[in-house]
Amino acid sequence: ILNVEQSPQSLHVQEGDSTNFTCSFPSSNFYALHWYRWETAKSPEALFVMTLNGDEKKKGRISATLNTKEGYSYLYIKGSQPEDSATYLCAFWTGNQFYFGTGTSLTVIP
Amino acid sequence: GAGVSQSPSNKVTEKGKDVELRCDPISGHTALYWYRQSLGQGLEFLIYFQGNSAPDKSGLPSDRFSAERTGGSVSTLTIQRTQQEDSAVYLCASSDYRGQKQYFGPGTRLTVT
Repeated sequence: ILNVEQSPQSLHVQEGDSTNFTCSFPSSNFYALHWYRWETAKSPEALFVMTLNGDEKKKGRISATLNTKEGYSYLYIKGSQPEDSATYLCAFWTGNQFYFGTGTSLTVIP
Repeated sequence: GAGVSQSPSNKVTEKGKDVELRCDPISGHTALYWYRQSLGQGLEFLIYFQGNSAPDKSGLPSDRFSAERTGGSVSTLTIQRTQQEDSAVYLCASSDYRGQKQYFGPGTRLTVT
């Protein structure tokens, strides 16, 4: 069993605050690291797919970085909005299987 | 265009019965994945298909679980002799090719009474 850990488990921030979460994964046999947003009563939606060490991706106010040598990825949200409230999942692709973290639950308070 | 669809959306079954869950991937996607989310747990990978290749079944939780994918498109997850611990939301996803961005279906909520 491969360990993918996310922290913190949950987070409450005020509207307008910037925040970030961490995903830790094995540093060996890396193929890809995915980030998904999962809103209540909806399906997970892909944010980023990251494959190269040093990768930085950005989509609007959300960005992510990747360090495959030390086995971590950060997801940043700038100027959080209530609509950002969701669970953010990372998933490690081994080439043959996805391992998901348990997610960071973000609540943005208006 | 049409996304990933799953049926049924909800299924209540008695312990010991067999159930079939269906997934229709996005047209042209060669990879298809099955996951399970039990109450209070994260997403558990079950199995994936790449094209017409035989899948690796090692992620299936028991030999009561089986999956097939006909013609490289529609997939069926079958659970035989259901148990209460099989109660969960079963999610299907597809991607262009294995390991690429996944598009998830709405899930099937299975309740075993």
